[in-house]
Amino acid sequence: EVQLLESGGGLVQPGGSLRLSCAASGFTFSSYAMSWVRQAPGKGLEWVSAISGSGGSTYYADSVKGRFTISRDNSKNTLYLQMNSLRAEDTAVYYCASSPLIPGGWHEYYFDYWGQGTLVTVSS
Amino acid sequence: QSVLTQPPSASGTPGQRVTISCSGSSSNIGSNTVNWYQQLPGTAPKLLIYSNNQRPSGVPDRFSGSKSGTSASLAISGLQSEDEADYYCAAWDDSLNGWGFGGGTKLTVL
Repeated sequence: EVQLLESGGGLVQPGGSLRLSCAASGFTFSSYAMSWVRQAPGKGLEWVSAISGSGGSTYYADSVKGRFTISRDNSKNTLYLQMNSLRAEDTAVYYCASSPLIPGGWHEYYFDYWGQGTLVTVSS
Repeated sequence: QSVLTQPPSASGTPGQRVTISCSGSSSNIGSNTVNWYQQLPGTAPKLLIYSNNQRPSGVPDRFSGSKSGTSASLAISGLQSEDEADYYCAAWDDSLNGWGFGGGTKLTVL
């Protein structure tokens, strides 16, 4: 059974930092691209960042570029999101999601499994 | 605002067929595949349709997807009360070099 379990969320002051983790199990982790998607309270979904199966390629939404860093440790089946210079508008539930590596590449990827999410609250 | 455009709400009675539209541009829907996600109240999103019109194992065939040009749509036939949820379309955007989501459509079963 595929499981994605996020952790690391919490309350942080504006300007602070937080590192999220996503522990994966039930599938060959390195064969999947991984992403972070967030959802502000009462709002829709917003893609945040993605990383290839090997970790060699990373992508970021403009809203987090230069502040967030995505990484993965395939030996530990774990995905990370280092969040620095946090702002109030970063307050959201952060989901990790997996994308099977299909021949069409990023243009055809989709999020086949999602974690339950971890809440990040940025407030003084 | 969202990269893709969806109506904020839709509704139908049990047994009816409803459709939800998703409008984009040449840099996203026009050149890449569209995926749909269902989010039941208080839960994480779930993959509903991928690659424009493919259903993952376990998704009822009451759900179908289509794409034409820079628009896509999700159709739900034989509407059931358990279909009440938020529905999101998404596609890779070549200009953003990332995924764009629609703003979501809240489906109410009357």
